[in-house]
Amino acid sequence: GQQLNQSPQSMFIQEGEDVSMNCTSSSIFNTWLWYKQDPGEGPVLLIALYKAGELTSNGRLTAQFGITRKDSFLNISASIPSDVGIYFCAGQAGNNRKLIWGLGTSLAVNP
Amino acid sequence: EPEVTQTPSHQVTQMGQEVILRCVPISNHLYFYWYRQILGQKVEFLVSFYNNEISEKSEIFDDQFSVERPDGSNFTLKIRSTKLEDSAMYFCASSPGQNKHGYTFGSGTRLTVV
Repeated sequence: GQQLNQSPQSMFIQEGEDVSMNCTSSSIFNTWLWYKQDPGEGPVLLIALYKAGELTSNGRLTAQFGITRKDSFLNISASIPSDVGIYFCAGQAGNNRKLIWGLGTSLAVNP
Repeated sequence: EPEVTQTPSHQVTQMGQEVILRCVPISNHLYFYWYRQILGQKVEFLVSFYNNEISEKSEIFDDQFSVERPDGSNFTLKIRSTKLEDSAMYFCASSPGQNKHGYTFGSGTRLTVV
């Protein structure tokens, strides 16, 4: 079945540093979504990408839909303590509406 | 901002019992979903629902599971006879009917089967 490989699995950084994480797939996706999940909460949508090559920003967050349609990255600039959480990529392929999820990147920020 | 509401937030049940997890999707959304997340693992798709019927389901969604939209606002997931391995966070989500596929997720129900 379709799988997403998300890396890194975890990151521990200093406040103010930039962060980058990415997802890759062996198959083509039509949509890439990036979510953040806080403990005990549901995933919250950060950025949605719908076209190959699309680069979208949301405040300090920037994400891109790879031109091969098999990868996406998320960058966080100038990290702050409230960026702590687990970041998930998710993708949709074909006409399917179901989301295929990565395993998540756990981010810890040292103030 | 519109949100997806799930109740209860936490349910503890004995193995073999039936549970019903409830969700109120965003009112003008047309697609509804259930996902689950076993502790420390990734989110897994269970089922999608559109136009009052299941549009897709995963291998996890076996005969023990069923979904229903009993009225214009609620969307429920029933597990007929719970097993220990059903313990997980269950997330409801909804999405609009346009080409944009971004979902809104609820805060989840933590199901603990003992």
